[in-house]
Amino acid sequence: DQQVKQNSPSLSVQEGRISILNCDYTNSMFDYFLWYKKYPAEGPTFLISISSIKDKNEDGRFTVFLNKSAKHLSLHIVPSQPGDSAVYFCAASHGSSNTGKLIFGQGTTLQVKP
Amino acid sequence: EAGVTQSPTHLIKTRGQQATLRCSPISGHTSVYWYQQALGLGLQFLLWYDEGEERNRGNFPPRFSGRQFPNYSSELNVNALELEDSALYLCASSSLDRAYGYTFGSGTRLTVV
Repeated sequence: DQQVKQNSPSLSVQEGRISILNCDYTNSMFDYFLWYKKYPAEGPTFLISISSIKDKNEDGRFTVFLNKSAKHLSLHIVPSQPGDSAVYFCAASHGSSNTGKLIFGQGTTLQVKP
Repeated sequence: EAGVTQSPTHLIKTRGQQATLRCSPISGHTSVYWYQQALGLGLQFLLWYDEGEERNRGNFPPRFSGRQFPNYSSELNVNALELEDSALYLCASSSLDRAYGYTFGSGTRLTVV
């Protein structure tokens, strides 16, 4: 049962344009969402997060949008840079259950072309 | 600040053997999490340790086990290795007040032949 899904395995955009990475979830109890970036041979690094009480969180070039009714979140990167090329994972948690567990999607490989 | 360190970086074992993977969390972090990333798949939750106790485990067989030491470092043990255990094993740590601000290590690549 894949509770967090990233339906696009890959995305290719031109440098300077917007990258939009999407993520869907099925568990309505999830109340905290995160995006991680992973380069080859490195562990994932935390990028940005959003609580379910918000619908938008912005940090520099990165903005995460949350649509609870659609159980959908997206990560916008503007402008995209070649160094953003990596695998992006969205993750979700059910904070009040205190399981310590993040549920990850399968990842989307972003390629930003110069 | 030193990050999360994992050892070894690569490990090759024969089917049926045991593997031991090690993780040192960031100083001050009491929680350690283990994840498995098999080829082409996302990160699958394995285990969560906090203050020396196993707090939660994912949907993995009992031959996946571990422990957390008094200095908060952790070991993951995989017994009776199977070919499908070949994966990248990632360790992460956090402080309890930032339970979802995981910091990951670079992982141990386990290959079972």
